[in-house]
Amino acid sequence: NAGVTQTPKFQVLKTGQSMTLQCAQDMNHNSMYWYRQDPGMGLRLIYYSASEGTTDKGEVPNGYNVSRLNKREFSLRLESAAPSQTSVYFCASNLDRGHTEAFFGQGTRLTVV
Amino acid sequence: AQSVTQLDSQVPVFEEAPVELRCNYSSSVSVYLFWYVQYPNQGLQLLLKYLSGSTLVKGINGFEAEFNKSQTSFHLRKPSVHISDTAEYFCAVRGSYKLIFGSGTRLLVRP
Repeated sequence: NAGVTQTPKFQVLKTGQSMTLQCAQDMNHNSMYWYRQDPGMGLRLIYYSASEGTTDKGEVPNGYNVSRLNKREFSLRLESAAPSQTSVYFCASNLDRGHTEAFFGQGTRLTVV
Repeated sequence: AQSVTQLDSQVPVFEEAPVELRCNYSSSVSVYLFWYVQYPNQGLQLLLKYLSGSTLVKGINGFEAEFNKSQTSFHLRKPSVHISDTAEYFCAVRGSYKLIFGSGTRLLVRP
């Protein structure tokens, strides 16, 4: 029972490099989310996808793009990484936008030097 | 707009002592509240949730929380903590399309 799977788990990038964080869920959930976690700031929403084929900005979307490839997969792309994007990134999913529980992946620890 | 405040960034406590982690929220719509736990180097796991009904909610690992509408609080409690409860705890409120998290409280259980 995999739940939400993120790859990679760790990544070091140089400033200006690009990369894509992958996320897949096997729970047939409609909604998927990307959060970043920084010390003392909790989790902040970057982008979300309420359903397949739709994406919307969250609180901190600048410097990121997303793709909802299909119902299972939701990727996050950094086009030109900056040191301010050093963070732990979490993907999450839930059945819908209502009050159902959100399930989280194990996180990707990204360092931009 | 909804928001969540966790006043305590860190709570140290001795093993087998009781603990309360505080959470206050603001919301202009129906309130759905959650507590999540994050163990070191792991993702977030749901501890408990309040959707409606009884204001005392029981969760996993012996934790419980009480929804207090008049004080707009949803404090998390455990009567006797274990070393294994050392983790970061996040309170969250459901917005229209997302979870809004507090800044987290690190629970440090000492022997």
